[in-house]
Amino acid sequence: DQQVKQNSPSLSVQEGRISILNCDYTNSMFDYFLWYKKYPAEGPTFLISISSIKDKNEDGRFTVFLNKSAKHLSLHIVPSQPGDSAVYFCAASAEEYGNKLVFGAGTILRVKS
Amino acid sequence: DAGVTQSPTHLIKTRGQQVTLRCSPKSGHDTVSWYQQALGQGPQFIFQYYEEEERQRGNFPDRFSGHQFPNYSSELNVNALLLGDSALYLCASSLWIEETQYFGPGTRLLVL
Repeated sequence: DQQVKQNSPSLSVQEGRISILNCDYTNSMFDYFLWYKKYPAEGPTFLISISSIKDKNEDGRFTVFLNKSAKHLSLHIVPSQPGDSAVYFCAASAEEYGNKLVFGAGTILRVKS
Repeated sequence: DAGVTQSPTHLIKTRGQQVTLRCSPKSGHDTVSWYQQALGQGPQFIFQYYEEEERQRGNFPDRFSGHQFPNYSSELNVNALLLGDSALYLCASSLWIEETQYFGPGTRLLVL
C-alpha cells in the first residue's frame, strides 16, 4: 500500500527555469510533509517542510505548496541550478503514528546548463 | 556541530550471518530512527528509539532489532541475513517533540 506517490520518475529542466516536483498521498491522517534531496552515495538532506495547517511555505529558492483537499503537494525550485540535480523525495508523517516518515519513490531532477 | 554519523560506510556479508550498524545522532537530538532503502525505492521505516526504548516499528521481521544507549547513539542488528537485506541503511535523528528528521550518510550493506 503506497501511501505517498511520486508519479514522475524523472524531470529535466533548463538552468534558470522553474522545476516543479509533485507528490500525492492517500492517508488523510498525515499532518506534516517534508522534501529531501539526495545525491548519490549520500544520505537524504532535508530541504523544506510544511504543516497541514498551512498551504504554502517558502525558503529561498524553494517553495512547497499543499492542497489538502486534493491530497497533493508540490515543490517549486526557482531558478533551477545545475547543482540542484539530484533525487528528490517527498515524505509524510502523522502525529498519530509517532512521526515515522513515509516516503515516495523519488523523482530524479536533471538541470541542464 | 557534527551531523548524524554512521559506521561502517560499506559492509559485505554472506547469507545467514549477523550484522551490527551504528549511528550517532546530531548534537542535541534524543530520537533515532532507522530506515532501509532498496535500489530505486524510497526509504522504508524500520523502527524508532527514544529514551532507550523502541517506540515505533515498521513492517520488518524480528530479525531486525535495535538498541539505544544513554548517550542517544543507536545500533541496528540484523540476524540471519538474506540476499534481500542488501540495501542502504539510513539513520535519522530528531527531537522527540519535533517532526523533522536529519539523515546520516548511510551504510551500504551487500549480502552475498
